[in-house]
Amino acid sequence: QPVLTQPSSHSASSGASVRLTCMLSSGFSVGDFWIRWYQQKPGSPPRYLLYYHSDSNKGQGSGVPSRFSGSNDASANAGILRISGLQPEDEADYYCDTWHSNSKTVVFGGGTKLTVL
Amino acid sequence: QVQLQESGPGLVKPSQTLSLTCSVSGDSISSGSFYWSWIRQPAGKGLEWIGRMFSSGTTNYSPSLKSRVTILGDTSKNHFSLKLNSVTAADTAIYYCARYAKVGGTNAFDIWGQGTMVTVSS
Repeated sequence: QPVLTQPSSHSASSGASVRLTCMLSSGFSVGDFWIRWYQQKPGSPPRYLLYYHSDSNKGQGSGVPSRFSGSNDASANAGILRISGLQPEDEADYYCDTWHSNSKTVVFGGGTKLTVL
Repeated sequence: QVQLQESGPGLVKPSQTLSLTCSVSGDSISSGSFYWSWIRQPAGKGLEWIGRMFSSGTTNYSPSLKSRVTILGDTSKNHFSLKLNSVTAADTAIYYCARYAKVGGTNAFDIWGQGTMVTVSS
C-alpha cells in the first residue's frame, strides 16, 4: 500500500500563504489518488477540510473557508494543501489521507505541525 | 446533527482485550449510506486508521492490526464497537470513531467523536 509523507513541521508569518505537501511513495502516482486533508487543534479531534483529485474533481468541507485549497504537484508526486492569508487560528496539525482500493485501506500521512509566526 | 460518542474503559491490562463503543445519534448505522470507522492517535503522534464497517456488516481492517481487530455494529442500539485483542503498551492511544462519508468523488472522515484515551498498563 502507498505511504504518505508529510514534513513534520512548517512555519510561516501571519498573512502569508503556505503550501503543505503530502508526498506519495514511489510506485504510486498522485494523479491516481484522491487526497483528503484534515486540521487538528490541540485537544480536539481532526476536522475534515477538503479533498483534491484534479481541478475538475475537488471539494471543500462544510464551512471551510476558501483560503484553504487543494492541488497536486505532479513533479513532486505530492498532494498540496494551500492556505492563503494565514491567520493565528490556522496554527494546527494538518493530516492528509487517501484510500487505496487495491488493499482496501485508508492511509494517513504523518502530519505537519503548522506554526503561525 | 450527527454526533458520535466513544465510551469504554480507560485502562486495559496487557494481553487483554480493548473494547470500545461508539454511540451514534442523528443518523442510523444501518442506513447504508456510510462507513463507520475507528482511528487512533498515540499521544503526540499521528493518526492511524484501524478499520471500518458498512451497514451490511462488511469490514476492512488495517493490515498491521487485522489479526487482532474486530469491528461490529449493533443496529438495535445504533452503535458500533471496536475490539482489539492481546493489547500491549503500543496500543495506548486516543481512540476516535468517525463517519466515513461520500464527499464528491471520494469519501472522507467528515464527522468525528471527541475521542477516548485508552492506556494499556498493568
